[in-house]
Amino acid sequence: RKEVEQDPGPFNVPEGATVAFNCTYSNSASQSFFWYRQDCRKEPKLLMSVYSSGNEDGRFTAQLNRASQYISLLIRDSKLSDSATYLCVVTGGIGNEKLTFGTGTRLTIIP
Amino acid sequence: GAVVSQHPSWVICKSGTSVKIECRSLDFQATTMFWYRQFPKQSLMLMATSNEGSKATYEQGVEKDKFLINHASLTLSTLTVTSAHPEDSSFYICSARDRDRDSYEQYFGPGTRLTVT
Repeated sequence: RKEVEQDPGPFNVPEGATVAFNCTYSNSASQSFFWYRQDCRKEPKLLMSVYSSGNEDGRFTAQLNRASQYISLLIRDSKLSDSATYLCVVTGGIGNEKLTFGTGTRLTIIP
Repeated sequence: GAVVSQHPSWVICKSGTSVKIECRSLDFQATTMFWYRQFPKQSLMLMATSNEGSKATYEQGVEKDKFLINHASLTLSTLTVTSAHPEDSSFYICSARDRDRDSYEQYFGPGTRLTVT
């Protein structure tokens, strides 16, 4: 089983729609969780951290369910500029700062 | 804030030569720097973790004598790919943690695309 699993997509979504991505992780001791976005042939950029209480940043909402080892990302009112690959990222146990990346979910927003 | 630069952005070299890639944190001091490799349509794979003033810690399967890492200061780490071969062609990306932030967030450099002919 992969440490971090994501649906690779692609998701082709019309502009203005709402889209949700899910991710599961295998290490129950993981401490920190993130969503990064990666544009084609570019480096990953931090989109947001993910907390158990849920957090929102503008059109983006992230949620963590530790019991189910499940992370989600919701994008509302999608824009053309949201087209990218979204990477689910988790760290190891306490004191383990290594990041483990999912393979990413490819999103394309269609005009 | 939290800008990481990487140089060069791309390089083409002949098989058997060595290539050095620099990674710098521009507006913060990095506790730790990381080196990743990404092949087409695959996720980032951690190669090694680099701490200033100490030896790098390599992931399983990564040859430390082939991928030399030097972390001379809190703002600079270098990766040297020695005796490069075509199978080393990849996208190499560094990242850094800000030592003044109590967070595991990593900030990534723009990457170096290496092509070995």
